[in-house]
Amino acid sequence: DSGVTQTPKHLITATGQRVTLRCSPRSGDLSVYWYQQSLDQGLQFLIQYYNGEERAKGNILERFSAQQFPDLHSELNLSSLELGDSALYFCASSELAGGLRNTQYFGPGTRLTVL
Amino acid sequence: AQSVTQLDSHVSVSEGTPVLLRCNYSSSYSPSLFWYVQHPNKGLQLLLKYTSAATLVKGINGFEAEFKKSETSFHLTKPSAHMSDAAEYFCVVRTDGYSTLTFGKGTMLLVSP
Repeated sequence: DSGVTQTPKHLITATGQRVTLRCSPRSGDLSVYWYQQSLDQGLQFLIQYYNGEERAKGNILERFSAQQFPDLHSELNLSSLELGDSALYFCASSELAGGLRNTQYFGPGTRLTVL
Repeated sequence: AQSVTQLDSHVSVSEGTPVLLRCNYSSSYSPSLFWYVQHPNKGLQLLLKYTSAATLVKGINGFEAEFKKSETSFHLTKPSAHMSDAAEYFCVVRTDGYSTLTFGKGTMLLVSP
């Protein structure tokens, strides 16, 4: 158990809908990262927040957005969902924003199915 | 830019035989390298990491990896496979000074009795 929690575990929704995925980082970690794992694209970095501020951006679609709250939990919002958004979404957390000592610890993931 | 190539999509071994999962990387600057493991329907677990200290890195569950700069490789090995090692393994690179990880496409390790 990494100490990173994600809810819900599974989510089934329809095309065009909007969903929110939630992540609580390990105690003491200030950085939160979001990743998407799909069969065709593999594991891709989406976005990073550090202490409430956006730190780095990857291959995140404009229909997707994220935020990190004062208590350091993070939410990933996915809107106008398409079939291709079906994937496993991972959250990771780390103590620092970057650097040699920084190690990311992953949550169990949220499996999103868009029908 | 950074990238990772995992040379085998599937590796099959018998229980008790050695494991070798191959990884080559590309990075503009000094890289940090990681191996993560994903068991079925589970999250990603960190096996080991290299961050410019000793080139031979020991991880959990008897795994180790050697950083070879001249070959731009970071292969994962284990002397004797166990049934519980069956999982997908990801080689990951991070360019120092940055925080983002770049994942390889993964190698599925199959262990037969």
